[in-house]
Amino acid sequence: QKEVEQNSGPLSVPEGAIASLNCTYSDRGSQSFFWYRQYSGKSPELIMFIYSNGDKEDGRFTAQLNKASQYVSLLIRDSQPSDSATYLCAVNGAGNNRKLIWGLGTSLAVNP
Amino acid sequence: ETGVTQTPRHLVMGMTNKKSLKCEQHLGHNAMYWYKQSAKKPLELMFVYSLEERVENNSVPSRFSPECPNSSHLFLHLHTLQPEDSALYLCASSRTGTGAETQYFGPGTRLLVL
Repeated sequence: QKEVEQNSGPLSVPEGAIASLNCTYSDRGSQSFFWYRQYSGKSPELIMFIYSNGDKEDGRFTAQLNKASQYVSLLIRDSQPSDSATYLCAVNGAGNNRKLIWGLGTSLAVNP
Repeated sequence: ETGVTQTPRHLVMGMTNKKSLKCEQHLGHNAMYWYKQSAKKPLELMFVYSLEERVENNSVPSRFSPECPNSSHLFLHLHTLQPEDSALYLCASSRTGTGAETQYFGPGTRLLVL
């Protein structure tokens, strides 16, 4: 069974700090990795995707991928209360490339 | 607004009822998805349609019946549901239907089965 693991949290950080969210996956052949944000009562929305090893930056967000260690992380710099949400990691498997495997999500609370 | 709409937003139904969920996307995408989101469980993919053809059926019970009349519309027909089917049902679309694409989600239908 292909799996995506995330610490469910809650992860609590003070406003202005760096929030670090981690995700590990079991399918070594996975090629595409996504971070979605889901506010309470809302649907998921894409934050970032990453395909290659290394870092990818977009504003206050940085995704980091290490395929050898099978983990992908999301860093949020200068965290704001509006970043408080559940962050879902999704991984596209090598065997069935139509399907995303989703983690349970990490709940992030940014305290003013 | 993601360009994906779902109706109704909330639905309460008895186990003997028949109802349908509707999804419409205004993004010009060719693939549409139904997901189920339950508390303390990851998002579960139910069905994938690409160019109106069902390309993924994730071992979903037959009491859930999808229909995709064209690439902009997707339905989920519900009958004789069980209380454990209560969940948030999310529709999504993407450009072609490969897992390497961004999926755009609708607001979801919150379903309660009594």
